[in-house]
Amino acid sequence: EAQVTQNPRYLITVTGKKLTVTCSQNMNHEYMSWYRQDPGLGLRQIYYSMNVEVTDKGDVPEGYKVSRKEKRNFPLILESPSPNQTSLYFCASSPTENYGYTFGSGTRLTVV
Amino acid sequence: GNSVTQMEGPVTLSEEAFLTINCTYTATGYPSLFWYVQYPGEGLQLLLKATKADDKGSNKGFEATYRKETTSFHLEKGSVQVSDSAVYFCALGDSGAGSYQLTFGKGTKLSVIP
Repeated sequence: EAQVTQNPRYLITVTGKKLTVTCSQNMNHEYMSWYRQDPGLGLRQIYYSMNVEVTDKGDVPEGYKVSRKEKRNFPLILESPSPNQTSLYFCASSPTENYGYTFGSGTRLTVV
Repeated sequence: GNSVTQMEGPVTLSEEAFLTINCTYTATGYPSLFWYVQYPGEGLQLLLKATKADDKGSNKGFEATYRKETTSFHLEKGSVQVSDSAVYFCALGDSGAGSYQLTFGKGTKLSVIP
């Protein structure tokens, strides 16, 4: 089944403890992206990637890192999480820039 | 920068009513436009899209027409069902200077009652 898989689905962590949210797609898509969804703010793009080793900042990149060493994987790294990064995170992928993204099921992160 | 404005919700309709969710955009280039739907507890799903002016996207009875003159991409459905209850997001995809960004509106929650 064609899909975008994120792990974990739920995560509670403490301030300052590094964490990684994994994202993998099995559709050979070129484009991948991370979003965060917050009440009243909608979805905001954190980082995106147009191909292996090509990444760029979205609207809210502060406090996040990404890497794209392989086409299928696009992990999101929080080096020192803070409570304001408590959010619902979505990974998404697309074969071309205007095809439309396929989204993962989301990761609900709570930083205490 | 680019932006998307969609009507505030929540919207509550009776089954078989007509649905319109307004969406307008601001963009510097020639964007593609999308509607996504999010059911409770799930990720977003692409509902329909239009890549150039006057294109009409359609899917599952939903339609939206890319109107460049009014910078709009309103979502419509002639007869809603309870199963259409979800949050709907309008989005704009724009390429510029070798980059690509997808910008979302804040979402409109639709509740359909029997």
